[in-house]
Amino acid sequence: GAVVSQHPSWVICKSGTSVKIECRSLDFQATTMFWYRQFPKQSLMLMATSNEGSKATYEQGVEKDKFLINHASLTLSTLTVTSAHPEDSSFYICSASGAFLSYEQYFGPGTRLTVT
Amino acid sequence: DAKTTQPPSMDCAEGRAANLPCNHSTISGNEYVYWYRQIHSQGPQYIIHGLKNNETNEMASLIITEDRKSSTLILPHATLRDTAVYYCIVRAMDTGRRALTFGSGTRLQVQP
Repeated sequence: GAVVSQHPSWVICKSGTSVKIECRSLDFQATTMFWYRQFPKQSLMLMATSNEGSKATYEQGVEKDKFLINHASLTLSTLTVTSAHPEDSSFYICSASGAFLSYEQYFGPGTRLTVT
Repeated sequence: DAKTTQPPSMDCAEGRAANLPCNHSTISGNEYVYWYRQIHSQGPQYIIHGLKNNETNEMASLIITEDRKSSTLILPHATLRDTAVYYCIVRAMDTGRRALTFGSGTRLQVQP
């Protein structure tokens, strides 16, 4: 099956710093990638949708200047949390879909971000 | 996409079948029923999906009622590793450029 990886799997950073999370589709071309956030004991909440070569579309309430998304290639999307604060601590999950896989979504393993 | 309703939690004895229900009474004719699960601190894992016929794969079976207003995911012989949150999602088969919408899901606890 299609494989999506994320790096790092976990990261601890200090308040005010920026953190970049990578999402890669390893064996298929992902025309669309999605970024989700999940707080403890809650469900996944969509943050943004990114199509390769285009600007990301953010969900209501998600600050686009704080959560920078780049989808410059068909196999890589990055999420940069800028000026991180403790309330940004969460589990960030990406998913990817592509035309040759009938647009089914495949999820990465997630990245645990802790801001101290 | 149509809304789904699932019980918040269920228990199942190891080795027994786990039957997880989902209500999707407003489902449209072109919408599929998908099931994903999320084991603690991992990304969601695809299980199965179907339109109107019952489906079976190596992980589970999906039973969809004739009126398509509800479905049941069956794990035939639950193991401790099946302990997870199970999400029932209804989604139209379009270009796939819309994200999956996750509800609260059912937390399945498999007991030894």
